[in-house]
Amino acid sequence: DTAVSQTPKYLVTQMGNDKSIKCEQNLGHDTMYWYKQDSKKFLKIMFSYNNKELIINETVPNRFSPKSPDKAHLNLHINSLELGDSAVYFCASSPLYKTGSGPDTGYTFGSGTRLTVV
Amino acid sequence: AQSVTQLDSQVPVFEEAPVELRCNYSSSVSVYLFWYVQYPNQGLQLLLKYLSGSTLVKGINGFEAEFNKSQTSFHLRKPSVHISDTAEYFCAVSESGGSYIPTFGRGTSLIVHP
Repeated sequence: DTAVSQTPKYLVTQMGNDKSIKCEQNLGHDTMYWYKQDSKKFLKIMFSYNNKELIINETVPNRFSPKSPDKAHLNLHINSLELGDSAVYFCASSPLYKTGSGPDTGYTFGSGTRLTVV
Repeated sequence: AQSVTQLDSQVPVFEEAPVELRCNYSSSVSVYLFWYVQYPNQGLQLLLKYLSGSTLVKGINGFEAEFNKSQTSFHLRKPSVHISDTAEYFCAVSESGGSYIPTFGRGTSLIVHP
């Protein structure tokens, strides 16, 4: 069983289109994340949800909108895709996020979605 | 805010040789430190982590790392590498008592030659 699964694995689309990436985790984790990895492999956090509640929203264009129907799912919808959106998008999960308490146990990552905008 | 520097973007090494991947961090508070490995076309996998206690941390696949507070370093080592260790390695730091959202380094590509 895959712990964190993302679909699709590859996504090629034209500029201006709207697309979604889905993520599901079966680890029972409360917190899920979206990361963007650019062509130079730099990883940057985009969003974080804790038990369906948005807790981290980094400087990301409004065209990106996360949705968490339940704590096991975190989807990413992207409107009006641009060339610069081409990247690998990773979903990740971790146990309960709680500011100021508890050790950080690390993330479990999905295998990524390679988005190419042409 | 914390930051992470991985000094080498690429480290070539021959099979069965030892390797050290360097990581330095900057933070004004106590930190948690991590190494992740990313094999080609895969997601990141946690190799090891330092939360507290012993400064020498052992991880999976024979890797270990040593936390050095005075030098603000967390270098990753393996005494004898295999071809299968060829991958991208990421160091990450998060601040205790903070948001726990880690900052990742820019990665070091380990290339193991036969």
